[in-house]
Amino acid sequence: DTEVTQTPKHLVMGMTNKKSLKCEQHMGHRAMYWYKQKAKKPPELMFVYSYEKLSINESVPSRFSPECPNSSLLNLHLHALQPEDSALYLCASSHLGAGTNTGELFFGEGSRLTVL
Amino acid sequence: DAKTTQPTSMDCAEGRAANLPCNHSTISGNEYVYWYRQIHSQGPQYIIHGLKNNETNEMASLIITEDRKSSTLILPHATLRDTAVYYCIVRVASGNNRLAFGKGNQVVVIP
Repeated sequence: DTEVTQTPKHLVMGMTNKKSLKCEQHMGHRAMYWYKQKAKKPPELMFVYSYEKLSINESVPSRFSPECPNSSLLNLHLHALQPEDSALYLCASSHLGAGTNTGELFFGEGSRLTVL
Repeated sequence: DAKTTQPTSMDCAEGRAANLPCNHSTISGNEYVYWYRQIHSQGPQYIIHGLKNNETNEMASLIITEDRKSSTLILPHATLRDTAVYYCIVRVASGNNRLAFGKGNQVVVIP
């Protein structure tokens, strides 16, 4: 299994809603990532988890709250978002550690979020 | 991570080899060159990476100049399905695992 699965594929939410994006992988990867991609722009890194601990937060607003409950799952909790947060949210995973870490990231197909 | 420079866009003929250039003149000795692509409405896909030797896999070949300041990704027989944004990225293979995308090269394969 070389897939990263993201759900839902599409999400529409109001500015007062609370929702979550989910990501799952079963490749034994111990690094997981959230990226945000606006239309016609490259993906921008938001968060990195290494061994289920948050290792990188790229100064993301607190209305985005990541969670890594175990080595296979990654969530992104959304609360009080703004219309400008509408974007494609991409999850990725990779190996960690010498010998297994080629630096290759495996990406999911993304969750397309629309904030009204 | 070192910065890269790629063309904004380029067209390639179907069935011909597509040569995608990338400049990375400030690359450090421990930084690899990675190539990813993103087909419209899909997640990015890893293509290939290399340190200093040329590399080949089932998708593409990577040619890195001897001074490592530039590289070329070669798609040997471009198909319409190869139309995508191609990203050239330089980074260390381990460490903080931060993979930062530049603007990329919009490649269109023309019949």
